[in-house]
Amino acid sequence: NAGVTQTPKFRILKIGQSMTLQCTQDMNHNYMYWYRQDPGMGLKLIYYSVGAGITDKGEVPNGYNVSRSTTEDFPLRLELAAPSQTSVYFCASSTGGYTEAFFGQGTRLTVV
Amino acid sequence: AQSVSQHNHHVILSEAASLELGCNYSYGGTVNLFWYVQYPGQHLQLLLKYFSGDPLVKGIKGFEAEFIKSKFSFNLRKPSVQWSDTAEYFCAVNARGSQGNLIFGKGTKLSVKP
Repeated sequence: NAGVTQTPKFRILKIGQSMTLQCTQDMNHNYMYWYRQDPGMGLKLIYYSVGAGITDKGEVPNGYNVSRSTTEDFPLRLELAAPSQTSVYFCASSTGGYTEAFFGQGTRLTVV
Repeated sequence: AQSVSQHNHHVILSEAASLELGCNYSYGGTVNLFWYVQYPGQHLQLLLKYFSGDPLVKGIKGFEAEFIKSKFSFNLRKPSVQWSDTAEYFCAVNARGSQGNLIFGKGTKLSVKP
């Protein structure tokens, strides 16, 4: 089992560019999440999804968009990248509120 | 709103020393509790979890945690640390019946000197 797979692992963007962070899971989990991790701040939830076609905002959604067209995939879109979006992004999945989340390897994004 | 506090930002220990990392949460309802570990350059991995039952839970690699409901605490312990335990440790909670959204503490960096 691959678990949760994120691509790319590293990316440098210029201010104003856009990109999509890919996330796919092969565990047939209904719940998927995007977090960002900043030094000394822990992880903050950006968006989450409880199933295909259903998404909702987390704590820090501004500047991001998501879609969930299939159970497996949950891409995160950055439009008009800003330096404040420099961070490490983690995708995670779970079967719901009573189980733990499984995390991908992360994407380190730098906006210059 | 839920919140999680981890008391120590950086802990430095020698090998074989005992470890206790503090975690307190703020939430009025029933919660599930987790400790995750992040080794340098890697993703988060689950150390242990508490949903219900015995408040003393054992996890991987000799870690354990105790849930004390009256203190809203879920402290992580290990009797004797090893150099390979050097990592960042995150306490997290989610509300029972929620969408599974985890609320994380800011993390505690553990450095173990050989």
